[in-house]
Amino acid sequence: QVQLQESGPGLVKPSETLSLTCTVSGVSITISHWSWYRQTPGKGLEWIGYVLYSEGTNYNPSYMSRVTISLDTSKNQFSLNLNSVTAADSAVYYCEGYGGVWGPGTLVTVSS
Amino acid sequence: EIVLTQSPGTLSLSPGDRATLSCRASQTITNNYLAWYQQKPGQSPRLLIYAASSRATGIPDRFSGTGSGTDFTLTISRLEPEDFAVFYCQQYGTTPWTFGQGTKVEIK
Repeated sequence: QVQLQESGPGLVKPSETLSLTCTVSGVSITISHWSWYRQTPGKGLEWIGYVLYSEGTNYNPSYMSRVTISLDTSKNQFSLNLNSVTAADSAVYYCEGYGGVWGPGTLVTVSS
Repeated sequence: EIVLTQSPGTLSLSPGDRATLSCRASQTITNNYLAWYQQKPGQSPRLLIYAASSRATGIPDRFSGTGSGTDFTLTISRLEPEDFAVFYCQQYGTTPWTFGQGTKVEIK
């Protein structure tokens, strides 16, 4: 059974970097796309980007200059870094992969 | 980017009713890579349908997806009490992948 779990700080200061990790169990992250999404009441669900072991990354142009998604095959994890955050980056962040398996989500608030 | 427009915004129905949800795309979706998700409060989205008409693992056959090109439909043949939720369509044929704004199916 494939499971995903997000982890990381729930509070990030403005202008700093939001860093989240998704731990994958039940399947190797060397197969499939692994994505990050976020959800806010105002903008709904948004795809941030994905990483694919054999091909690299693909990012939503809305985040292109600020985002990095990477794989750690030794830990079977993938990560999201979003820099220069503002209050508008406050959201529930989800990781997803293996054709539709989602983590439970983690709330990140950007505030001083 | 491809804009997905879902209608109606809210559907008020009773258990046992048939629900028909629409998702219209601003341009043709490549390979009909259109998915439908169900989301309940406080939960992550649950994949119901992928590639427009294929049910995900474990999804009951009362959920069905049809359509191609720019017009897609999710049908729930007989609503069960646990089906009431918000439903989203997502296209993953062209990056950036995008979602519709959602249709809420509520108990009448």
